[in-house]
Amino acid sequence: NAGVTQTPKFQVLKTGQSMTLQCAQDMNHEYMSWYRQDPGMGLRLIHYSVGAGITDQGEVPNGYNVSRSTTEDFPLRLLSAAPSQTSVYFCASTSHRRASEGGDTQYFGPGTRLTVL
Amino acid sequence: AQTVTQSQPEMSVQEAETVTLSCTYDTSESDYYLFWYKQPPSRQMILVIRQEAYKQQNATENRFSVNFQKAAKSFSLKISDSQLGDAAMYFCANLDYTGTASKLTFGTGTRLQVTL
Repeated sequence: NAGVTQTPKFQVLKTGQSMTLQCAQDMNHEYMSWYRQDPGMGLRLIHYSVGAGITDQGEVPNGYNVSRSTTEDFPLRLLSAAPSQTSVYFCASTSHRRASEGGDTQYFGPGTRLTVL
Repeated sequence: AQTVTQSQPEMSVQEAETVTLSCTYDTSESDYYLFWYKQPPSRQMILVIRQEAYKQQNATENRFSVNFQKAAKSFSLKISDSQLGDAAMYFCANLDYTGTASKLTFGTGTRLQVTL
């Protein structure tokens, strides 16, 4: 049971380049999400998915696309990288059970440090 | 919108002593969780402790305990018998369930130093 895995761990892009950050979980969790972490700002939600085929925007979605074709995978795409997207990106998953139903914790991947020059 | 406030950017504690990290939150939901996450230099987000809002009893996990004051929307973390390995960033987070979605909102973090 690997939990939540993310690749790559580090990436350097030039402005305007595109790339995909990969995220996978093997816990059969319905709910997956992407966060970015910037200094002094904690983690902010980019996009989330409540199940295969269903995605929605979080707090800071601009410049990012997501899709959820399988329960296991939730890739994050940067369409045209900008220096403002330099950050550490975390993927997380949870069973999304309500607290009153014995709900679950969000499990985080190890993060991807992205630098856009 | 949910907000989580950590008013202590940095805290310091001597080894073996006790320290309390503060957190306040604001939510309109009745079904929610509260968490404390630890983030060491490795960047990994490690769950320290969690509290279900409908439970009145404060959660405890070994040396870690919380003081959950629901009416005041306060959720502080107490670390007893502090160890060098406790040095890290600590984030308070609020998980709300709204319809079909859940949203995890983080505070800005408290950096904990542990000194000899």
